[in-house]
Amino acid sequence: GAGVSQSPRYKVTKRGQDVALRCDPISGHVSLYWYRQALGQGPEFLTYFNYEAQQDKSGLPNDRFSAERPEGSISTLTIQRTEQRDSAMYRCASSSGLAGAETQYFGPGTRLLVL
Amino acid sequence: AQKVTQAQTEISVVEKEDVTLDCVYETRDTTYYLFWYKQPPSGELVFLIRRNSFDEQNEISGRYSWNFQKSTSSFNFTITASQVVDSAVYFCALTPPNAGKSTFGDGTTLTVKP
Repeated sequence: GAGVSQSPRYKVTKRGQDVALRCDPISGHVSLYWYRQALGQGPEFLTYFNYEAQQDKSGLPNDRFSAERPEGSISTLTIQRTEQRDSAMYRCASSSGLAGAETQYFGPGTRLLVL
Repeated sequence: AQKVTQAQTEISVVEKEDVTLDCVYETRDTTYYLFWYKQPPSGELVFLIRRNSFDEQNEISGRYSWNFQKSTSSFNFTITASQVVDSAVYFCALTPPNAGKSTFGDGTTLTVKP
């Protein structure tokens, strides 16, 4: 079956612009996660959802970052007033069961470059 | 707080050599889950294995094997008879129970030369 998909795959934007990154999880997966990965480092947790409820947003760097999953399926990570330090790979993952024990399956990521 | 340390930043081996990638973790939880992921040059993150903290049996899958030692908080990964296609960045990760906040190590870059 289809895996996790993310769009766009690449995004170049100018400092100060808002960007919206989309994640489409594996069909039927109840939990969805967002991570950010800088070059040469492992993924860093941002936030996650069980169904449509955001369970933990402790990893969001500041209030310019927000995420939603209104219908418990597709999720959007929004970065307002982007800054150059926001440049990174943004990864989404989903799991079939509630977060914790279940394996997280990752999408291909969105490479964000802020000029 | 959780922490995952992959002390080996880069490893280079010649094809058919065995290689072990180290992973050491820190957590206050008595129950937790450990994972290994592979990131090939194409960039995606591919799941390899999940291990529960209460199951210390080692696991073998083809040329891959994993050694989980709770006493030393380690979850090491061995590739036997390495191949060029094994060249990738390998990440170890730790997840607490009932939460989705996984902590990843910074990865080990494995290069297998023909």
